[in-house]
Amino acid sequence: AQSVTQPDIHITVSEGASLELRCNYSYGATPYLFWYVQSPGQGLQLLLKYFSGDTLVQGIKGFEAEFKRSQSSFNLRKPSVHWSDAAEYFCAVVGGINTGTASKLTFGTGTRLQVTL
Amino acid sequence: DTGVSQNPRHKITKRGQNVTFRCDPISEHNRLYWYRQTLGQGPEFLTYFQNEAQLEKSRLLSDRFSAERPKGSFSTLEIQRTEQGDSAMYLCASSFEEGGYGYTFGSGTRLTVV
Repeated sequence: AQSVTQPDIHITVSEGASLELRCNYSYGATPYLFWYVQSPGQGLQLLLKYFSGDTLVQGIKGFEAEFKRSQSSFNLRKPSVHWSDAAEYFCAVVGGINTGTASKLTFGTGTRLQVTL
Repeated sequence: DTGVSQNPRHKITKRGQNVTFRCDPISEHNRLYWYRQTLGQGPEFLTYFQNEAQLEKSRLLSDRFSAERPKGSFSTLEIQRTEQGDSAMYLCASSFEEGGYGYTFGSGTRLTVV
């Protein structure tokens, strides 16, 4: 079964500082990987996704993520954080196409980002 | 296209009452998913539909929960005899085929059972 680990429950960074949120996944084949952001009381917004090809993926709001198969990781990065980036961030995985399994997303427990001014 | 719409946004109910939530997916999407999210946790899969067929249900979906998607359009999630443990955010998402175009989530319905 697929699983996702986000080891950092809470991270605080200063506005303008760089950010890296960690995500490790467990899946037997090539996964599809996602990062979502959730503001308080809101639904989930897709930041970026990885299916294949270039292992460095660009997303919205200046975020990027790098897929490293050898480390089973898909860490999210941003070079300069803005106060509006404060939110909960979720990494998620789904089995790749033609796996014969359900296409449901499996989420990590999330990382809460706090931005200090 | 207005995205995935969920109604109501908030629902407060007394323990033992039945509640029903509605989800309207993106019209071109043939897959629809229900997730439950409790405080401090990531969303957990409940069930999903491909068109009108319910293809998978999580063991989290007890007998008190039922979901339908008549005619492959909107979906409803009903909880019978609600319990305090049912208090959560219920999220709906839709996607096209294998999710290659990404899963789009609605804003959720927050249920509080008192």
